[in-house]
Amino acid sequence: DVKVTQSSRYLVKRTGEKVFLECVQDMDHENMFWYRQDPGLGLRLIYFSYDVKMKEKGDIPEGYSVSREKKERFSLILESASTNQTSMYLCASKWDRGYNEQFFGPGTRLTVL
Amino acid sequence: RKEVEQDPGPFNVPEGATVAFNCTYSNSASQSFFWYRQDCRKEPKLLMSVYSSGNEDGRFTAQLNRASQYISLLIRDSKLSDSATYLCVVRTGGFKTIFGAGTRLFVKA
Repeated sequence: DVKVTQSSRYLVKRTGEKVFLECVQDMDHENMFWYRQDPGLGLRLIYFSYDVKMKEKGDIPEGYSVSREKKERFSLILESASTNQTSMYLCASKWDRGYNEQFFGPGTRLTVL
Repeated sequence: RKEVEQDPGPFNVPEGATVAFNCTYSNSASQSFFWYRQDCRKEPKLLMSVYSSGNEDGRFTAQLNRASQYISLLIRDSKLSDSATYLCVVRTGGFKTIFGAGTRLFVKA
């Protein structure tokens, strides 16, 4: 059974703080993704990684960075959190080949005050 | 115009009803299509892929109309447990996957 875990379900931070969101998958997936989900906007891709140490910008990378030092772990970093980064953050992973499904973690609800 | 558009709903239907959702996409080069289901405060999970010839999985039927650039999901004999948000997902190739904002369904007893 595929499992994608995220370090926190709920997080409250202050404006200007550096925030780390961690995602770990246990299925040896090559591809990993970070999305944010906001009402009425759906899931929007922030960054993705198709292999260890590789990363690509998604549709809304501004204000974020990522790190993938190991295959199973993909971290999202908010260098200086702002209130407009209050959102639900979802991590996903998938195998590299084919049009196969993405498996999602449970999400982290981040509130920036 | 959004790349993938869905009616946000909510659709309120009684148990046993048949309900259908449509989703339109703007990129004619889109290659693969999916429906995901997301329960309240949970992560999205794949419900079914959508094939060119249409496909069925129990009470769920998915259709693709490439000429008009839309996909549909039909749910027959709705159950209370079908209450969720249904996300339309379109993949245009490579890593480009677009999620719709979702259609909310409430099934009432």
